[in-house]
Amino acid sequence: NAGVTQTPKFQVLKTGQSMTLQCAQDMNHEYMSWYRQDPGMGLRLIHYSVGAGITDQGEVPNGYNVSRSTTEDFPLRLLSAAPSQTSVYFCASSYEGGYTGELFFGEGSRLTVL
Amino acid sequence: RKEVEQDPGPFNVPEGATVAFNCTYSNSASQSFFWYRQDCRKEPKLLMSVYSSGNEDGRFTAQLNRASQYISLLIRDSKLSDSATYLCVVITGRRALTFGSGTRLQVQP
Repeated sequence: NAGVTQTPKFQVLKTGQSMTLQCAQDMNHEYMSWYRQDPGMGLRLIHYSVGAGITDQGEVPNGYNVSRSTTEDFPLRLLSAAPSQTSVYFCASSYEGGYTGELFFGEGSRLTVL
Repeated sequence: RKEVEQDPGPFNVPEGATVAFNCTYSNSASQSFFWYRQDCRKEPKLLMSVYSSGNEDGRFTAQLNRASQYISLLIRDSKLSDSATYLCVVITGRRALTFGSGTRLQVQP
């Protein structure tokens, strides 16, 4: 009964380092997405995917890359970490992309960039 | 003006009280609305959808006012376990899903 699994849960990076946040879901959902949550800002969409091989940018895509080689996995890559990327990151999936369905979230990844 | 706005609170209420939150949205073309609940340092989870005619789920009632462009969430007989942040979600167009920044509720014993 895993649902959406994110790793790592916590990470500290130095400015300029790169890393990948992993996201996997076992519900056969076509739609997957990455959000960041900052105090007072709500959840903001970084990138999303409507199926394997298809990705698109959300509201705040700069500094992040994604790929979707399988239905199950949707990793988020930070290319060169900056302090402004300190945030809590959530991966979410949905059968219908949230349009009519429910978004299922992972437990979040707390990233600090020094 | 933000697309989706919520009063951040906190709303501090005693157990058993009735409390209501509003969420305003700026785009009159928005067509789908939801309330999510987020516990401290946890992921958001769907609480309920908001239908045009209003809907109720136990102690929770959600309503939509299209003329004034807001949705509301009413919680009756508040429990300590209702303490959380409540996020409204507005969908405009295909997959243009916007979260509000949330309203924090603290129910006091």
